[in-house]
Amino acid sequence: EIVLTQSPDFQSVTPKQKVTITCRASQSIGSSLHWYQQKPDQSPKLLIKYASQSISGVPSRFSGSGSGTDFTLTINSLEAEDAATYYCHQSSSFPFTFGPGTKVDIK
Amino acid sequence: EVQLVESGGGLAQPGGSLRVSCAGSGFTFSSYSMKWVRQAPGKGLEWVSYISSSSSTINYADSVKGRFTISRDNAKNSLYLQMNSLRAEDTAVYYCARGEGDVWGQGTTVTVSS
Repeated sequence: EIVLTQSPDFQSVTPKQKVTITCRASQSIGSSLHWYQQKPDQSPKLLIKYASQSISGVPSRFSGSGSGTDFTLTINSLEAEDAATYYCHQSSSFPFTFGPGTKVDIK
Repeated sequence: EVQLVESGGGLAQPGGSLRVSCAGSGFTFSSYSMKWVRQAPGKGLEWVSYISSSSSTINYADSVKGRFTISRDNAKNSLYLQMNSLRAEDTAVYYCARGEGDVWGQGTTVTVSS
């Protein structure tokens, strides 16, 4: 099973600040890594697919990069509405797995 | 409008069974793989199962293998998860999602308790 680790676990950020969340896979997964945002009592929302592909309707301040085992989600100029938990997810090999999540709080 | 709607959640006893469903609309359901993802109270997301568009490929998390069965009926635009031998640790909100997860349902709550 491919284990995904995320860092940090929690981040408290001021508006307009840049946020970087990393996801590391226990073995190479190519670019089969997706990022989701989940707000309390809501379903997850896809932000980035296949490491760096943008999703229609997702603000351009969200971007992704990486391949192999190391991946990054970047939120440029954080807005108050970005307070949420962010998860990475690999679909390279079964069983698919999720990272433990990174909670982003607004100061 | 592209939509997924789950149903069938509820209370089940340990060792019991439950079937949850997911109805798709607003898109060509038969063209997409589907997956089930669950979230225990206060916990993170856990991938549960995957089914390809034609049902030719099916896979499960180790935690549910041998107890849960995923299936789909493309004629009815529906996805199913049959859950048997339920345990307390299966208590969660169960979500269905399309493909890489560009569309999610609202979730259905399954509680396993005596």
